[in-house]
Amino acid sequence: DTGVSQDPRHKITKRGQNVTFRCDPISEHNRLYWYRQTLGQGPEFLTYFQNEAQLEKSRLLSDRFSAERPKGSFSTLEIQRTEQGDSAMYLCASSLDRGGGRFFGPGTRLTVL
Amino acid sequence: RKEVEQDPGPFNVPEGATVAFNCTYSNSASQSFFWYRQDCRKEPKLLMSVYSSGNEDGRFTAQLNRASQYISLLIRDSKLSDSATYLCVVNAFDMRFGAGTRLTVKP
Repeated sequence: DTGVSQDPRHKITKRGQNVTFRCDPISEHNRLYWYRQTLGQGPEFLTYFQNEAQLEKSRLLSDRFSAERPKGSFSTLEIQRTEQGDSAMYLCASSLDRGGGRFFGPGTRLTVL
Repeated sequence: RKEVEQDPGPFNVPEGATVAFNCTYSNSASQSFFWYRQDCRKEPKLLMSVYSSGNEDGRFTAQLNRASQYISLLIRDSKLSDSATYLCVVNAFDMRFGAGTRLTVKP
């Protein structure tokens, strides 16, 4: 499978715990994006990498959120001290260039109890 | 005003019907436009890009009106399998998604 993959697919955690998600983009894509989607809404942009450089961060990305892409390949998104409001689908996408369409992974569904 | 606005629907149409969705955007600097399809509890999937001259892919036609700042998606001869949420996407400095229009095609 040469598409975008994400792990885990589902995560249930208790409030206050830290969680980390992983995204593996399509191999030739140098751009990687994280989005968050809640029920009834479209995906909301969180952050974006070009290779290993994190170039943009949304105001939605509080200081509890951190993302890395250390070798310009896979990326991780960590949420510290989770809150119930963090419950959402976290989507990763990749693209060849900024103007092109994004190809999404299956997402990680986070539930914070 | 939201950057990208769509009629949330739902649109309930019979098989074989023609249905059209519109999407308006606020940033006149937007440069690229897309329609995505999202099935329930699945990730969005790129349906088609939208070009200035309009473009067609089988039963699907997308159009862009820069002067009025909207894009449209027309689906002809609707199939049951077209039932999904259709997301309008506008790319200026980064992609902005609409909230989606839900379509249900019924037998």
